[in-house]
Amino acid sequence: AQTVTQSQPEMSVQEAETVTLSCTYDTSENNYYLFWYKQPPSRQMILVIRQEAYKQQNATENRFSVNFQKAAKSFSLKISDSQLGDTAMYFCAFMKREGGGSNYKLTFGKGTLLTVNP
Amino acid sequence: DAGVTQSPTHLIKTRGQHVTLRCSPISGHKSVSWYQQVLGQGPQFIFQYYEKEERGRGNFPDRFSARQFPNYSSELNVNALLLGDSALYLCASSPIRTDGYTFGSGTRLTVV
Repeated sequence: AQTVTQSQPEMSVQEAETVTLSCTYDTSENNYYLFWYKQPPSRQMILVIRQEAYKQQNATENRFSVNFQKAAKSFSLKISDSQLGDTAMYFCAFMKREGGGSNYKLTFGKGTLLTVNP
Repeated sequence: DAGVTQSPTHLIKTRGQHVTLRCSPISGHKSVSWYQQVLGQGPQFIFQYYEKEERGRGNFPDRFSARQFPNYSSELNVNALLLGDSALYLCASSPIRTDGYTFGSGTRLTVV
């Protein structure tokens, strides 16, 4: 079974600064997908960024970028120019095909609570 | 475009009762998944449906069941509720199975 570990339960950053959230995962698979989701107090899980394991290039989405180290099984999220609206719980998630069929489930870490201070 | 909609938003039930949670995916999305999120934890996979067939089931007891309708909406049913079933239940939809899923705002279930 896959596991996803987020070792930082809480982090804080000053507005306009840069912060990096860590994520490691355990798998014997070669083809899989990695995601970062954001969950603000409104509860809705919002997709931040997606990485396909076979792509060596790190994904970027505006102020959000990842550092994907496949051999080290590491997938960190960097948020540049942090904004107050970035305050939320951030979840790292892993997805692969299960059981040779067509089941694609997300396995989530426990999350990192990020607070952006003014 | 409407996002993933879930109903109800909040629900209080008594132990032993039955509950039905509903989810409408984004138009055109054929894959629907259900997740349970206990306070302070990441979501845990319950079910995935694609084209109205069950394609995956997580490690949950048989008290949990689900189905997907011809219009791709879905229901999650939980029988014989336990206190430990209190959680946020999230529905997610995707056009194809490996895209990032779009989540609804969830149903907060409290069992007393």
